[in-house]
Amino acid sequence: DAMVIQNPRYQVTQFGKPVTLSCSQTLNHNVMYWYQQKSSQAPKLLFHYYDKDFNNEADTPDNFQSRRPNTSFCFLDIRSPGLGDAAMYLCATSRDLGLETQYFGPGTRLLVL
Amino acid sequence: GESVGLHLPTLSVQEGDNSIINCAYSNSASDYFIWYKQESGKGPQFIIDIRSNMDKRQGQRVTVLLNKTVKHLSLQIAATQPGDSAVYFCAENEDTGFQKLVFGTGTRLLVSP
Repeated sequence: DAMVIQNPRYQVTQFGKPVTLSCSQTLNHNVMYWYQQKSSQAPKLLFHYYDKDFNNEADTPDNFQSRRPNTSFCFLDIRSPGLGDAAMYLCATSRDLGLETQYFGPGTRLLVL
Repeated sequence: GESVGLHLPTLSVQEGDNSIINCAYSNSASDYFIWYKQESGKGPQFIIDIRSNMDKRQGQRVTVLLNKTVKHLSLQIAATQPGDSAVYFCAENEDTGFQKLVFGTGTRLLVSP
């Protein structure tokens, strides 16, 4: 089945220790998104890639970076995780920009010790 | 905008009842609306969508109603089942250039057997 896959499902890191979360998709969609979701809140968009074009949300901290080496994969790098970065990180894809449905992966729950 | 707060509105229903989940959206220029279901520890799952040129759309056991006059969206679930228990988010596609998806606060649906 075509899908959005996130690994790992749970990630524990130490305060200040860089961590990378990964996302892959078999949908061959052009757009990939990263969201942060804290407990009992709605997902918050961090950034998105349209093909190789990276678009950062204005309020996304510099601590968060992303890479998309090819159509299928996208990575979220947190350079120096703080306690406030503990959250669920969701990857999503859409076929194109515009009025398109976004399809979400299962998420990676990040714990910062 | 981003939802805030630790306490989600909650709707409690009995199995077999019909459920209605409401959402007030913010942008009168939004063209596209989606309902997502999010079970605990999982990513949001697409349920149904509707475009602004429609006022009603039906799926399997679900109906979405759109009232553009008062900027209101509702999700009706017929014959609610325990497996429907989840948090439900409405999302509007806001025209900010790349048409960013903006999520509502979310409603927790609890279905008792």
